[in-house]
Amino acid sequence: EAQVTQNPRYLITVTGKKLTVTCSQNMNHEYMSWYRQDPGLGLRQIYYSMNVEVTDKGDVPEGYKVSRKEKRNFPLILESPSPNQTSLYFCASSSYTVSNYGYTFGSGTRLTVV
Amino acid sequence: KQEVTQIPAALSVPEGENLVLNCSFTDSAIYNLQWFRQDPGKGLTSLLLIQSSQREQTSGRLNASLDKSSGRSTLYIAASQPGDSATYLCAVMMNRDDKIIFGKGTRLHILP
Repeated sequence: EAQVTQNPRYLITVTGKKLTVTCSQNMNHEYMSWYRQDPGLGLRQIYYSMNVEVTDKGDVPEGYKVSRKEKRNFPLILESPSPNQTSLYFCASSSYTVSNYGYTFGSGTRLTVV
Repeated sequence: KQEVTQIPAALSVPEGENLVLNCSFTDSAIYNLQWFRQDPGKGLTSLLLIQSSQREQTSGRLNASLDKSSGRSTLYIAASQPGDSATYLCAVMMNRDDKIIFGKGTRLHILP
């Protein structure tokens, strides 16, 4: 089944403890992206990647890091999480080499930083 | 800067009725527009994608239209069912290799 898989689904952590949220897609998509969703603010893009070893900042990159060493994986790293990073996070992927250029989203990771 | 607006923010409709959800955008030079559904606490499910050269797309009881010149898209849901209750988001992409910009969604509640 074609899908984007995020792990973990739920995570509670303490301020300052480094964490990684993994994202993997099995559709050979070139494009991958991370979003956070907050009440009243909607979905905002954190980082995106056009292909392997190519990443760029979205609208709210502060406090986050990403890497794209392999085409299928795009982990989101929080080096020193803070309570304002408590949010619902989504990973998405897409292909720009096919005509139906739509996004596929993961099921989300609900992160709480205390 | 592109802005995507969805009005109303919430809508309640009796079961069986046809309904229309609205999406407007400020910059008409879009590459495509996509409608998503999101159930509470869950991920986004793509419903329909309309390329900039298209006027509409259909999937089952759903029909999405696009009028680039006026900066508007509508999502038509026929014969609504309680299972259609969810938040519906529209998103536009400005260029082929660009990010997508989301509206804040319309929360739809179908009354049994």
